[in-house]
Amino acid sequence: DAKTTQPPSMDCAEGRAANLPCNHSTISGNEYVYWYRQIHSQGPQYIIHGLKNNETNEMASLIITEDRKSSTLILPHATLRDTAVYYCIVSFFRGSNYKLTFGKGTLLTVNP
Amino acid sequence: GAVVSQHPSRVICKSGTSVKIECRSLDFQATTMFWYRQFPKQSLMLMATSNEGSKATYEQGVEKDKFLINHASLTLSTLTVTSAHPEDSSFYICSAAGHLNEKLFFGSGTQLSVL
Repeated sequence: DAKTTQPPSMDCAEGRAANLPCNHSTISGNEYVYWYRQIHSQGPQYIIHGLKNNETNEMASLIITEDRKSSTLILPHATLRDTAVYYCIVSFFRGSNYKLTFGKGTLLTVNP
Repeated sequence: GAVVSQHPSRVICKSGTSVKIECRSLDFQATTMFWYRQFPKQSLMLMATSNEGSKATYEQGVEKDKFLINHASLTLSTLTVTSAHPEDSSFYICSAAGHLNEKLFFGSGTQLSVL
């Protein structure tokens, strides 16, 4: 069963912020939100993860709602190389239940 | 960031032969490794989870006798596709997690084509 819901595709203009939404209404208290992306014919690349606080790194920001039922990945200044499929995944942090199950993701196309 | 090396990147084989794919964590000890496969225009499908020194745990519908997984050391896991058939043609991707299980690092994938 899919644990996350994402729009199948989105477009963004180069240089603008890309905001990718994700719904995870059945997330449990111990599950983290992870974001990965996959550029065509390559292995997925880690972007960011968080539990309940907003997170920021050199690639992106992750905004998690207070009820944790949804989140948004923000790429502050999208470039053409950010065109990829973005996956939002919920998973336990560690232990025997740790595994990343990929949904269908969002194809983000950054246009010049 | 951590590096996971996967080899070969592309392999073509005849139907009925076996193919081995290697996955190595280059700069960390991978206590857990995962194997995925991906068909064109589809998402990644988890095949199995392996912990070093233990038997792999296969997802439902994945034949353990066909997809042999060995995780003999903390830096190496192998996936062997036995008696390959054209329907096994797919993109196979490995990933590895350290003992903190903070995040997965993925290999670059292996494109298997069975003729």
